[in-house]
Amino acid sequence: DGGITQSPKYLFRKEGQNVTLSCEQNLNHDAMYWYRQDPGQGLRLIYYSQIVNDFQKGDIAEGYSVSREKKESFPLTVTSAQKNPTAFYLCASRLSGTAAYEQYFGPGTRLTVT
Amino acid sequence: RKEVEQDPGPFNVPEGATVAFNCTYSNSASQSFFWYRQDCRKEPKLLMSVYSSGNEDGRFTAQLNRASQYISLLIRDSKLSDSATYLCVVGLNTGFQKLVFGTGTRLLVSP
Repeated sequence: DGGITQSPKYLFRKEGQNVTLSCEQNLNHDAMYWYRQDPGQGLRLIYYSQIVNDFQKGDIAEGYSVSREKKESFPLTVTSAQKNPTAFYLCASRLSGTAAYEQYFGPGTRLTVT
Repeated sequence: RKEVEQDPGPFNVPEGATVAFNCTYSNSASQSFFWYRQDCRKEPKLLMSVYSSGNEDGRFTAQLNRASQYISLLIRDSKLSDSATYLCVVGLNTGFQKLVFGTGTRLLVSP
């Protein structure tokens, strides 16, 4: 079955710790995205990557970092510099090279920082 | 002004009812339009794309009015399983193909 996996589903961390969220896809999609969702707000773009070894900041990149060493993988690190890290984090992918905008999402990771 | 605006609801309707959601977007350069469905504490899933000519998928009909920058979703014969949050989503080319999400409209279908 093709799809996007994110792990873990729930993650708890103490303030001041960095944490890395996993995102893997076997859809052969070139483009991958990270969003966060907070209650009462739309999804906001953190980082995106259109090809391997390249990524760009989205609208709210401060306090986050990413890497894209493999086509299948796009991990997100939430650093201690992120002021409000508690949120629902969603990874998505899209087939590049087409005019299609549709993105497909993984199941998400719910991060709680106390 | 938000780029994509939706009434948050909730819309409470009985089974079998017809319900309509609306959405407005601010950027006239928007190129693609979608409705996504999001169940509680789950990821958004693509429900349907929206075209100027209007499109239908079973009980769901979506419509786009580019002149008014307005998107609609009509659900006929509501089922209990339709209860979810419906996200209006707009695609923009800002150097890459970006999606801008509304905050969603919550639908509750009751027996």
